[in-house]
Amino acid sequence: GENVEQHPSTLSVQEGDSAVIKCTYSDSASNYFPWYKQELGKGPQLIIDIRSNVGEKKDQRIAVTLNKTAKHFSLHITETQPEDSAVYFCAARLQGGSEKLVFGKGTKLTVNP
Amino acid sequence: NAGVTQTPKFQVLKTGQSMTLQCAQDMNHEYMSWYRQDPGMGLRLIHYSVGAGITDQGEVPNGYNVSRSTTEDFPLRLLSAAPSQTSVYFCASSPVGSGGEQYFGPGTRLTVT
Repeated sequence: GENVEQHPSTLSVQEGDSAVIKCTYSDSASNYFPWYKQELGKGPQLIIDIRSNVGEKKDQRIAVTLNKTAKHFSLHITETQPEDSAVYFCAARLQGGSEKLVFGKGTKLTVNP
Repeated sequence: NAGVTQTPKFQVLKTGQSMTLQCAQDMNHEYMSWYRQDPGMGLRLIHYSVGAGITDQGEVPNGYNVSRSTTEDFPLRLLSAAPSQTSVYFCASSPVGSGGEQYFGPGTRLTVT
């Protein structure tokens, strides 16, 4: 089955710096790659996603890139702010996999003021 | 819309007790799923359903039962709780064929002593 590896497990940056979180997946049939943000005591919330027919997607300060050949995708946050501090999860969905997502183990991002 | 709701928010059980975690959504989503979240382990799929009357096992189904009698509700049953089931449980839903965005509930924190 699909396996998703996520790095780093923790990341600390200064406010205004950029943050990058990387994930690799094992099954080349995966075609959908969402990123979720989880704030303390809450459920995960989708922040951005990318499909396998696209190489990059941006939404204001966040962007995701996908390299299908290398089977990895990354989340980029620019001009980080303290409210970006949270746990971030990447995930992958198999084509025809009935909406099932396989998640990475998460990255705890801390943005220091 | 209330989105995805879960009850209770917190629960303490003794080993061997049974209980049901409730999950409901008002978005008419066909797909619903249960995850458990443990430190350093990310989100692991327990059971999922693609519609009323249809359920299937995820990655970690042992010790849990589910049923899906209506589109709205997807309860998770622990028949004989064990300390290894201490975790935070999340329910999620999405439309089938939507491309994958899943909406998560706020979670239930379960402690088994």
